Amino acid sequence: QKEVEQDPGPLSVPEGAIVSLNCTYSNSAFQYFMWYRQYSRKGPELLMYTYSSGNKEDGRFTAQVDKSSKYISLFIRDSQPSDSATYLCAMNDQGGNNRLAFGKGNQVVVIP
Amino acid sequence: ETGVTQSPTHLIKTRGQQVTLRCSSQSGHNTVSWYQQALGQGPQFIFQYYREEENGRGNFPPRFSGLQFPNYSSELNVNALELDDSALYLCASSLPGSQETQYFGPGTRLLVL
Repeated sequence: QKEVEQDPGPLSVPEGAIVSLNCTYSNSAFQYFMWYRQYSRKGPELLMYTYSSGNKEDGRFTAQVDKSSKYISLFIRDSQPSDSATYLCAMNDQGGNNRLAFGKGNQVVVIP
Repeated sequence: ETGVTQSPTHLIKTRGQQVTLRCSSQSGHNTVSWYQQALGQGPQFIFQYYREEENGRGNFPPRFSGLQFPNYSSELNVNALELDDSALYLCASSLPGSQETQYFGPGTRLLVL
């Protein structure tokens, strides 16, 4: 079982729709949960991070973490064509191991 | 404030050759991490440097090595290149203890023939 699972299937939505993305993980030591956005041929850009369980909102973006289920989500409201990108979840355990563990990424296409 | 920069942007090498990739950290960041991103995959952690010392390593063989310089810039060296080393190599900088806020550069795309 991989540490971080993210269904890489492409997702196409019409402009204005809500985009829902999620990841599951197996390492219960993970405490920080991040979402990155990656445009084609660019490096990942940090969107948001959440510590432990709970919700965090930033404009049109909402991140949710459920540590009991080892499940995290990202919601994008009122999606725009400029939101078309690959979205990567990432996690870190802050236990002396300094690596980020990433999911495979979800390609999202917002159709005008 | 300048962001993370990497050079070169693209590189083509042949199997068995050696390559050096370079990274300049974001201003004020003294920790740098390197990741390998194969096509269609998420980035995989190679190693991290803090105060010019390796500070954590992923599951990569010793032919992947690095350096960090006093100005916090960094190099990734790969010896004896293999076809599977073809990937996007990403550098990320952060403040110490702030692993949740790693800022990535644009990457170097390496093709091994």
